[in-house]
Amino acid sequence: NAGVTQTPKFRILKIGQSMTLQCAQDMNHNYMYWYRQDPGMGLKLIYYSVGAGITDKGEVPNGYNVSRSTTEDFPLRLELAAPSQTSVYFCASSYSKSEAFFGQGTRLTVV
Amino acid sequence: AQKVTQAQTEISVVEKEDVTLDCVYETRDTTYYLFWYKQPPSGELVFLIRRNSFDEQNEISGRYSWNFQKSTSSFNFTITASQVVDSAVYFCALSEDLYNFNKFYFGSGTKLNVKP
Repeated sequence: NAGVTQTPKFRILKIGQSMTLQCAQDMNHNYMYWYRQDPGMGLKLIYYSVGAGITDKGEVPNGYNVSRSTTEDFPLRLELAAPSQTSVYFCASSYSKSEAFFGQGTRLTVV
Repeated sequence: AQKVTQAQTEISVVEKEDVTLDCVYETRDTTYYLFWYKQPPSGELVFLIRRNSFDEQNEISGRYSWNFQKSTSSFNFTITASQVVDSAVYFCALSEDLYNFNKFYFGSGTKLNVKP
């Protein structure tokens, strides 16, 4: 059982470039999340989704976009990358009242 | 205001010592869930425990134990006879039962250093 799969694991972007972080889960969870973790800090919610076609902003959505066309996939789009977006990105999923199941993380550096 | 506060930024202990990690939360909901996660140096997030607001029984799992006290809005985590492998960042998290949707709020984490 793969759980939550994130790709890529590492990426270096130049300022102004764009990229999509992929996230897929095979547990049929309705709820999916994107968090970022800055060095030495906790997790901050970027976007979340309660089901296919429904997304909403979290605490730090600026500079990001998401879509949820299927239950399984929840990609995170970075437009015009900035150094402030250097972080580790975690995708997670859950079902009602459960814990969050996390992917392995994507370490992104913007230079 | 932060919904989850982990006041201890970093703790260092010597192996075999007991250590307690504090977590204080804030919510107006009567139904909510509390969690602890471990993040070892490799970076992944490992789920440790889930507790709902109606279950105040303390829980023990091997060397780990959790003390949930609604009266003080605390959900503390104790590691007994710590080991070097316990070195990690530990996160406490809260989710509120908003229309059956879990929105997770994480504390800033406590870094535990266990020295041999």
